[in-house]
Amino acid sequence: EVQFLESGGDLVQPGGSLRLSCAASGFTFSDFVMSWVRQAPGKGLEWVSSISSSGAYTYYADSVKGRFTVSRDNSKNTLYLQMDSLRAEDTAVYYCAKDTVVFEGANDSWGQGTLVTVSS
Amino acid sequence: DIQLTQSPSFLSASVGDRVTITCRASQDISNYLAWYQQKPGKSPKLLIYAASTLQSGVSSRFSGTGSGTEFTLTVNSLQPEDFATYFCQQVNNYPRTFGQGTKVEIK
Repeated sequence: EVQFLESGGDLVQPGGSLRLSCAASGFTFSDFVMSWVRQAPGKGLEWVSSISSSGAYTYYADSVKGRFTVSRDNSKNTLYLQMDSLRAEDTAVYYCAKDTVVFEGANDSWGQGTLVTVSS
Repeated sequence: DIQLTQSPSFLSASVGDRVTITCRASQDISNYLAWYQQKPGKSPKLLIYAASTLQSGVSSRFSGTGSGTEFTLTVNSLQPEDFATYFCQQVNNYPRTFGQGTKVEIK
């Protein structure tokens, strides 16, 4: 069974930093593109970032480019999101998600989400 | 960036109804579209990928059609567990984008 254990969400002041982690199990982690998707309170879904299976290629939403860094450690089956220069508008539940086998881009498994609150 | 516009944003329906949600893309995305269902406090669930392929384990009440710039998600014979918010997502290129969502509520 595919499972994700997300951690790292917290209350942080504007301008601060956080690192989110997503520990994966139940599948061959190193075979799949992984993504972060966030959802602000009461709002819709926003794609944040994706990383190729090897980690060689990374992609970001314009809203986080230059502030967030996605990475992965395939030896630890773990996905990361380093979040710097945080803003109030980054407040959201952050989900990690795995691409499907047959259709890259569609996310067939999601973590439970971790809440990031940016406030003074 | 590719913009996705869902309509309607809100839909009130009864158990047993057939409902249709539309997702329009700002440019041709071929069939690179997915549909998700999300219930309050829960993670999204993949329903449809490649515009019309039903994800394994998803009820056949759900179907998707379309290509290019216009897509639809149809739910036949709406069941109580189908009341939720639905999102489309384009995966044709980066940045991947979502529609704003359609909330389906009980009439």
